Amino acid sequence: GAVVSQHPSRVICKSGTSVKIECRSLDFQATTMFWYRQFPKQSLMLMATSNEGSKATYEQGVEKDKFLINHASLTLSTLTVTSAHPEDSSFYICSAIIPDRGTDTQYFGPGTRLTVL
Amino acid sequence: GEDVEQSLFLSVREGDSSVINCTYTDSSSTYLYWYKQEPGAGLQLLTYIFSNMDMKQDQRLTVLLNKKDKHLSLRIADTQTGDSAIYFCAEEAGGFKTIFGAGTRLFVKA
Repeated sequence: GAVVSQHPSRVICKSGTSVKIECRSLDFQATTMFWYRQFPKQSLMLMATSNEGSKATYEQGVEKDKFLINHASLTLSTLTVTSAHPEDSSFYICSAIIPDRGTDTQYFGPGTRLTVL
Repeated sequence: GEDVEQSLFLSVREGDSSVINCTYTDSSSTYLYWYKQEPGAGLQLLTYIFSNMDMKQDQRLTVLLNKKDKHLSLRIADTQTGDSAIYFCAEEAGGFKTIFGAGTRLFVKA
């Protein structure tokens, strides 16, 4: 089956530093990936749609300069949280669509827990 | 174990009401959610309900929760062709853990 991985699974960083989270599709090419954010006991919030070879499309209210997304290849999208603050602490999840299987099925990564001290 | 179940397909005529049903197993869930997924797009949160509520209404959407039967439903009034999508029911299972159903594909016929 399709697998999406994320790295790291957990990261702790100091306030003011930048953190990069990787999302990889392991056995398929993903032209479209999505980044979500989840707070404890709360819903998933779509942050942005990442398209290979083009700029990401950000949802309203998401700071594009704060959350940098790069989808440089068909198997890798990265989310960089720049100048992280404690309020950025959250669980970040990516997902990918397999284009030749239609556009309805999303495959989710296991998530990355970010803690900013 | 934890599980969320929903029917896979629903077809309605434009202008009719749609009712999408869901059952869940974790009685300790505090939040229950409905998400909408349009083709090629990410999940969008439609609405949510706290477990101490029976009903929540938001414009054309009505969520009903029967906690005794662990049954959740989403009613869309005056369904439009733009409502055609996949609707996911989800329950909060503690911390960051959310359990999703398989999704109900809603077809709206003009």
